[in-house]
Amino acid sequence: DAGVTQSPTHLIKTRGQQVTLRCSPISGHKSVSWYQQVLGQGPQFIFQYYEKEERGRGNFPDRFSARQFPNYSSELNVNALLLGDSALYLCASSLTLAGDKGKNIQYFGAGTRLSVL
Amino acid sequence: RKEVEQDPGPFNVPEGATVAFNCTYSNSASQSFFWYRQDCRKEPKLLMSVYSSGNEDGRFTAQLNRASQYISLLIRDSKLSDSATYLCVVNINNTNAGKSTFGDGTTLTVKP
Repeated sequence: DAGVTQSPTHLIKTRGQQVTLRCSPISGHKSVSWYQQVLGQGPQFIFQYYEKEERGRGNFPDRFSARQFPNYSSELNVNALLLGDSALYLCASSLTLAGDKGKNIQYFGAGTRLSVL
Repeated sequence: RKEVEQDPGPFNVPEGATVAFNCTYSNSASQSFFWYRQDCRKEPKLLMSVYSSGNEDGRFTAQLNRASQYISLLIRDSKLSDSATYLCVVNINNTNAGKSTFGDGTTLTVKP
C-alpha cells in the first residue's frame, strides 16, 4: 500500500511569491494534518482537516491556508512568501480523529522542502 | 516555556549502551503520547505509543508519569542504526488526534 505522498519534493521560490503544496493520504485515512519543521526544531502544527472540514489551526498567519478535497487529498497554500517560511512542510494522515488505539496514529509523508530566496 | 520540552542532547553512546530520554509536557489535559524517530532530512516515523501502564517493544521501553507530566524512552543494547533524533509527541485531546505538539527532539549518536 502507498504511504502518504507529497509533491513536490523540493521547491525554490522568491520572497513575495505564492506556493501550493500537495498531499495524498494513505488510502482510507480521512484526516490530514500539515506541519512546518524548521531546521533544528520539531514539527509545528499548521492545520488539520477531517472529512473536508478544518478541525484545527495552529499559530500561523492568514498567509497560510489549506483545503481538503472529496478524495481526502489536501493542499497547503502559502501567499506572500517570507524568508522565514523556508522549512520542511510535512503532511500527516490518520484513520480517524477518535482516540481508539492505533486509529489516531499519524503517518507522515516525506515532506516538501521549501527554500525562499 | 514550550509545551513539550526535551533535552536536545546530543547523546553520544557506544554500541551496547543503555540510554534514556525524558520529555516533559505542560498541559495536564494531555491524553495521548508517542515517541517518533526522525532520521536526518527524513520524515518522522512512529517508534511507539506510550500508555499509562508503560509498554515495551523489543529493546525499547516507554513510560508515562502523569503526576509529574513526563514521559521517558529507554533504549537498551544500542545499535548503530539507533542513531537518529527522537521526538516526543503529545496530543491534548484524543478527538483531535491530528493536533499534535512535538518536542524539538533529542539527538542520539551510537558509535562503534
